Amino acid sequence: GQNIDQPTEMTATEGAIVQINCTYQTSGFNGLFWYQQHAGEAPTFLSYNVLDGLEEKGRFSSFLSRSKGYSYLLLKELQMKDSASYLCAVVDSNYQLIWGAGTKLIIKP
Amino acid sequence: ETGVTQTPRHLVMGMTNKKSLKCEQHLGHNAMYWYKQSAKKPLELMFVYNFKEQTENNSVPSRFSPECPNSSHLFLHLHTLQPEDSALYLCASSLRTSGETDTQYFGPGTRLTVL
Repeated sequence: GQNIDQPTEMTATEGAIVQINCTYQTSGFNGLFWYQQHAGEAPTFLSYNVLDGLEEKGRFSSFLSRSKGYSYLLLKELQMKDSASYLCAVVDSNYQLIWGAGTKLIIKP
Repeated sequence: ETGVTQTPRHLVMGMTNKKSLKCEQHLGHNAMYWYKQSAKKPLELMFVYNFKEQTENNSVPSRFSPECPNSSHLFLHLHTLQPEDSALYLCASSLRTSGETDTQYFGPGTRLTVL
């Protein structure tokens, strides 16, 4: 079967750095997405990785290792508004999106 | 602003009611999706439409009936729902679906409660 694993919940402090991990076992791989979803709102696109390595976008970076079936989302200089759920999704060999259950990130002052 | 709107944002219905959810995208996309999101579970893909044609139906019960009159509008008709159908229903759109990886853009969802 296909599976995406992410921690259910994480807590971090304002101004700090947090890393949210995602591991996957899928039939094929055609890319990995990260989305941010604030409570009661739409998931919004954060990043897309298809090649190994680190992609940086301002305070957010996403890393991919295809050989390890592993990705992480790195958030720097945390702000209270970063409190949200972060969804990892993998595109399989049929170009279907396989979703993780999401990681709820709680930022404390 | 995502360019995908959904109405209503909240809906409470009894098990014998009939209601419809509406989604509209203003992004010029050709593919539209319905997802169900339950607490602490992955998004569940329900239906996919590509150029108004249904290309995916993930074993969804017949009490959910989709309709896609054009590439910009998508409806989900609901009848005789069960309490376990209570969830957030998300609509998404993308440029195309087949043979390529495409970014999906989501609406804010309809929070459905079935009594």
